[in-house]
Amino acid sequence: DAKTTQPTSMDCAEGRAANLPCNHSTISGNEYVYWYRQIHSQGPQYIIHGLKNNETNEMASLIITEDRKSSTLILPHATLRDTAVYYCIVRVADTGGSYIPTFGRGTSLIVHP
Amino acid sequence: DGGITQSPKYLFRKEGQNVTLSCEQNLNHDAMYWYRQDPGQGLRLIYYSQIVNDFQKGDIAEGYSVSREKKESFPLTVTSAQKNPTAFYLCASSPFAGTGGIGPQHFGDGTRLSIL
Repeated sequence: DAKTTQPTSMDCAEGRAANLPCNHSTISGNEYVYWYRQIHSQGPQYIIHGLKNNETNEMASLIITEDRKSSTLILPHATLRDTAVYYCIVRVADTGGSYIPTFGRGTSLIVHP
Repeated sequence: DGGITQSPKYLFRKEGQNVTLSCEQNLNHDAMYWYRQDPGQGLRLIYYSQIVNDFQKGDIAEGYSVSREKKESFPLTVTSAQKNPTAFYLCASSPFAGTGGIGPQHFGDGTRLSIL
């Protein structure tokens, strides 16, 4: 199963870009990279996902390296409300051949004024 | 608006009692999940279901039970066999994307269970 490695914590100044790295060196060719974030005491919120091309939506951009062994989530203009725990996950297959996401501890991002 | 509703938000249980946490979704999603989160930790999968009347154990299923009699409902029972049930419980759902796997998960706002 593909595992992910993320820094435990990061900080960023308000208005600056926040770049959150994720290592997934054992990812399989058909596994997607997903990013979620969790604000304290709430359920996680889906942000973005991708397979091998870079992706962008209204919340963030996802940059996946050509070898797909790592990715970076970019919040282009971080605000105080972006303070949260960010999870990078890849879909793993259970014994039945279906795909179940596994969440690690994520990166705690603190955006400061 | 479509979404996932978990109730209650806070739940207290006496030792030795079973309690049931509710999870309802109106997103027409095929798959539903229950996770447990302890302070400062990530999410651990308890049970999941990809179709009505079928479900599989996750990483920490001992002491828990589920049912999936309707597509929109996936209740979780925390039994007295669960020795340390105090935690934050999260329910999620996702659309099934065929052989490509599942789509993005949508989460409820969680139920915080405490032992009296």
